Amino acid sequence: EVQLVQSGAEVKMPGESLKISCKGSGYTFTSYWIGWVRQIPGKGLEWMGIIYPTDSDTRYSPSFEGQVTISADKSIRTAYLQWSSLKASDTAMYYCARQSVQGVFFDYWGQGTLVTVSS
Amino acid sequence: QSVLTQPPSASGAPGQRVTISCSGSISNIGSYTVSWYQQLPGTAPKLLIYSNNQRPSGVPDRVSGSRSGTSASLAISGLQSEDEADYYCAAWDDSLNDLVFGGGTKLTVL
Repeated sequence: EVQLVQSGAEVKMPGESLKISCKGSGYTFTSYWIGWVRQIPGKGLEWMGIIYPTDSDTRYSPSFEGQVTISADKSIRTAYLQWSSLKASDTAMYYCARQSVQGVFFDYWGQGTLVTVSS
Repeated sequence: QSVLTQPPSASGAPGQRVTISCSGSISNIGSYTVSWYQQLPGTAPKLLIYSNNQRPSGVPDRVSGSRSGTSASLAISGLQSEDEADYYCAAWDDSLNDLVFGGGTKLTVL
């Protein structure tokens, strides 16, 4: 069974750094791109970027380029999303998702990680 | 303002058929396939339709998708209470180099 399990909710202060994770199981981790999607409370879905764990080839949405860093450690089947300096506007639910080999769509999703940034 | 335009809400009585539209442009829906996602309250999105009209295993055949030109639509027939959710369309956009989503449609089963 394909599963993406994300790290738990985080509460941070503005200016702090953060790295959240997404661990894949039940499939060949290095054969699929993993993406990250943001959902601000009460709002829609926004694609942030994707990474290919085999060689860490990464593509970012222009909206998020330079704002976050996506990485992966294929040895432990885990992808990451990190911030160097959080802002209140980063408060959101963040989902990781597996991109299908059949096209640009996500066939499996993680349960989400809620990040709250508040002073 | 989302690149793909969806109605904010839709509704139907149990057993009825409802359609949700998704309007885009030549740089997204007009050139690339569309996927649809269902998000039940408090849960992660789930893939409902891919490649315009393909259903993943486990999605009932009362759910269907179509694309024509720069628009797409999702149809759900035989509405059930468990269909109450938010629905999002998505497609690659080559002018933005971005995977773009619609703003979402909240489906209410009356």
